[in-house]
Amino acid sequence: GQQVMQIPQYQHVQEGEDFTTYCNSSTTLSNIQWYKQRPGGHPVFLIQLVKSGEVKKQKRLTFQFGEAKKNSSLHITATQTTDVGTYFCWSNTGNQFYFGTGTSLTVIP
Amino acid sequence: KAGVTQTPRYLIKTRGQQVTLSCSPISGHRSVSWYQQTPGQGLQFLFEYFSETQRNKGNFPGRFSGRQFSNSRSEMNVSTLELGDSALYLCASSLGLRDQPQHFGDGTRLSIL
Repeated sequence: GQQVMQIPQYQHVQEGEDFTTYCNSSTTLSNIQWYKQRPGGHPVFLIQLVKSGEVKKQKRLTFQFGEAKKNSSLHITATQTTDVGTYFCWSNTGNQFYFGTGTSLTVIP
Repeated sequence: KAGVTQTPRYLIKTRGQQVTLSCSPISGHRSVSWYQQTPGQGLQFLFEYFSETQRNKGNFPGRFSGRQFSNSRSEMNVSTLELGDSALYLCASSLGLRDQPQHFGDGTRLSIL
């Protein structure tokens, strides 16, 4: 079945460094959503991308949807300790919902 | 307004038992989805209910079932529990239109002994 793979699985950065996580799918996605889950918490919706090549920004976060709608990325500029958590992408195809495998971000002060 | 409420927060069961988890969505939300989260498998989709009907279904065995009531509250039932069912079960609600943001509850932590 379809899987949405995310890389890297883990990322440790020094505070102030940038961070990027990538989602890749073998099939075309109708849309992609990004969620953040803090340790011990639940996923929180960040953003949704629908259009091919779409780019959206939220303060230090930049989200991109690939031209072929098979991949997406989340980039954080100048990480802060508040960015700690696991970042997941999510999409749906047909009657299935898929979460990516997640990227766990650790920020070292 | 109140968020998604899941009860109970923690549950301990033994193999072979059954369990029912409850989810109350945000007021006005008509879709409720259920996910299983484990360290090994990540977040896996169980099913989605909309207007009391199962609209989408993941690849879980028939031991996992759910339902939704007229007030949009949803329950998930797992029968003949196995050790591998130990997980955090999350429900998420949304307005119900396709591709709407999902709002998650804090989850029910189920432990099977």
